[in-house]
Amino acid sequence: DVKVTQSSRYLVKRTGEKVFLECVQDMDHENMFWYRQDPGLGLRLIYFSYDVKMKEKGDIPEGYSVSREKKERFSLILESASTNQTSMYLCASSPTGMAYEQYFGPGTRLTVT
Amino acid sequence: GDSVTQMEGPVTLSEEAFLTINCTYTATGYPSLFWYVQYPGEGLQLLLKATKADDKGSNKGFEATYRKETTSFHLEKGSVQVSDSAVYFCALSASSGTYKYIFGTGTRLKVLA
Repeated sequence: DVKVTQSSRYLVKRTGEKVFLECVQDMDHENMFWYRQDPGLGLRLIYFSYDVKMKEKGDIPEGYSVSREKKERFSLILESASTNQTSMYLCASSPTGMAYEQYFGPGTRLTVT
Repeated sequence: GDSVTQMEGPVTLSEEAFLTINCTYTATGYPSLFWYVQYPGEGLQLLLKATKADDKGSNKGFEATYRKETTSFHLEKGSVQVSDSAVYFCALSASSGTYKYIFGTGTRLKVLA
């Protein structure tokens, strides 16, 4: 069974802290994605990666960075967390090719106080 | 640019009612189209997909047909159950060589017993 796992289901951090969200996939997929999900806004792409050490900005990259040192792992970093980054964060992976669907992790609900 | 528009929710139905959730898209070329479902507290999972015009995707009693002439991919189910209560997302993957997926804002379905 294919699997995308995220390091935490729930996380509470303070303003100004550096936050790491980890995502691991076991399907040998080339592509990995980070989204945030907010009510009424759907899913918004933060960053994606199409290969190890390769990354591209999505629609809302400000305040975030990413790291992909190994094919199976894609990390999202909040350099200095702010309250407007309180959200649900979803990681996904997919093979290369437009006919392929994405596989999602269970999500991390991050609260920044 | 590419976009997906789906009907606003919430949609509230009685058990065994007929379901339609509308989805239209704007894209260059021939995208692949997807419906994802998100149950409470979980990530998204693929419900069905179609990769070319006139294809019909189906799964768990849900169906959607890729209509290029109307740029639509409406989700239907003949008889909904309480267990179908969830948020449904329409999405496309671009045919223009990018790795991005475009999601609608989601439609919440509530089925009453």
